[in-house]
Amino acid sequence: AQSVTQLGSHVSVSEGALVLLRCNYSSSVPPYLFWYVQYPNQGLQLLLKYTSAATLVKGINGFEAEFKKSETSFHLTKPSAHMSDAAEYFCAVTGGTSYGKLTFGQGTILTVHP
Amino acid sequence: SAVISQKPSRDICQRGTSLTIQCQVDSQVTMMFWYRQQPGQSLTLIATANQGSEATYESGFVIDKFPISRPNLTFSTLTVSNMSPEDSSIYLCSVERDSSITDTQYFGPGTRLTVL
Repeated sequence: AQSVTQLGSHVSVSEGALVLLRCNYSSSVPPYLFWYVQYPNQGLQLLLKYTSAATLVKGINGFEAEFKKSETSFHLTKPSAHMSDAAEYFCAVTGGTSYGKLTFGQGTILTVHP
Repeated sequence: SAVISQKPSRDICQRGTSLTIQCQVDSQVTMMFWYRQQPGQSLTLIATANQGSEATYESGFVIDKFPISRPNLTFSTLTVSNMSPEDSSIYLCSVERDSSITDTQYFGPGTRLTVL
């Protein structure tokens, strides 16, 4: 079985500050990891994904995430927050016989203050 | 990427009734999935919609409650049957172009269902 834990259901930062959204996973097989963003009243949009190539993954809108097997983590970062980054962010995992079936974390709501 | 549309975008229904949600993709895809996002919660996979055969349901979800059709490679429907207020959720369709483990899963805009 696979699972994802996102630490912090709400994160608040100032505009221009570092964004750090935490994601830890549990998987008995090599995981494939994803970060999605959901803006209010919209569907999910893929930010980035890890598929066993480079451990540092760059995504859209200046976001990146680093896969750390030893820490079973896949934290999402952005050096400088923008007001438009305010949204809910979901970490998800798949792998092994469960491929294609995404298991999502609980989500983290990011608030950006001026 | 894939352009996915869902109909209706939202609906308010009475308990005991059923609602069918449509998912249309702009091109043929191998995999189609249905997720539920209950208020304030994350997404949970309901089932994988299989073209030409019965859907594969996840634990806790049954065909009688959530019948799914997939008549071709671009279209699927999810019916929420005999609805109760606990069925109030956002229902999302997602697709993958192929069955590769590295393929990206794209999501539709969702259908926001409220059951009174």
